[in-house]
Amino acid sequence: AQRVTQPEKLLSVFKGAPVELKCNYSYSGSPELFWYVQYSRQRLQLLLRHISRESIKGFTADLNKGETSFHLKKPFAQEEDSAMYYCAPRENGNKLVFGAGTILRVKS
Amino acid sequence: KAGVTQTPRYLIKTRGQQVTLSCSPISGHRSVSWYQQTPGQGLQFLFEYFSETQRNKGNFPGRFSGRQFSNSRSEMNVSTLELGDSALYLCASSLNTDTQYFGPGTRLTVL
Repeated sequence: AQRVTQPEKLLSVFKGAPVELKCNYSYSGSPELFWYVQYSRQRLQLLLRHISRESIKGFTADLNKGETSFHLKKPFAQEEDSAMYYCAPRENGNKLVFGAGTILRVKS
Repeated sequence: KAGVTQTPRYLIKTRGQQVTLSCSPISGHRSVSWYQQTPGQGLQFLFEYFSETQRNKGNFPGRFSGRQFSNSRSEMNVSTLELGDSALYLCASSLNTDTQYFGPGTRLTVL
């Protein structure tokens, strides 16, 4: 079965420290991959999609087809980065398959 | 541009009842997808409508249904409610198969 795994439920780092949120997927072919973020009391919003190769709010994510990973990285975490992060491959049509999510807590 | 809106925001029902949730997409968007979010199962895809046709369907029982109108607004219906249907129901709209924009959700509680 196709699936996506985010192994960490909670990641706690200090402000200014590097951050890496892990995402592994098991899919045939080359799915399109996304990272979504949900800040406290806000709606789910797109952070990154791999085909655009943009850097949003200092975050980047590289698709590693060999390791089937799409880890989210930021060199220096900020307190405002504290949120829930979801990795989501897109299957046929618009079906997003969300991982369980990782809570990022940035401590001052 | 106004974002995706969902009504009602909160709903309390009892077992056996049915419920209808509404989603208004961003103007010009023709695709509307629905997701269920629960603490145990996380975010799960229910179905997607595009130009009034169901284009994709998740693994939910037939009690969960939806439709889309000519103005792209969408409704989802859950019949014969069960306690396990308590969840946050999210809808998302997009132009076609591109970035999906999410609404704030409807919190359904089944007693």
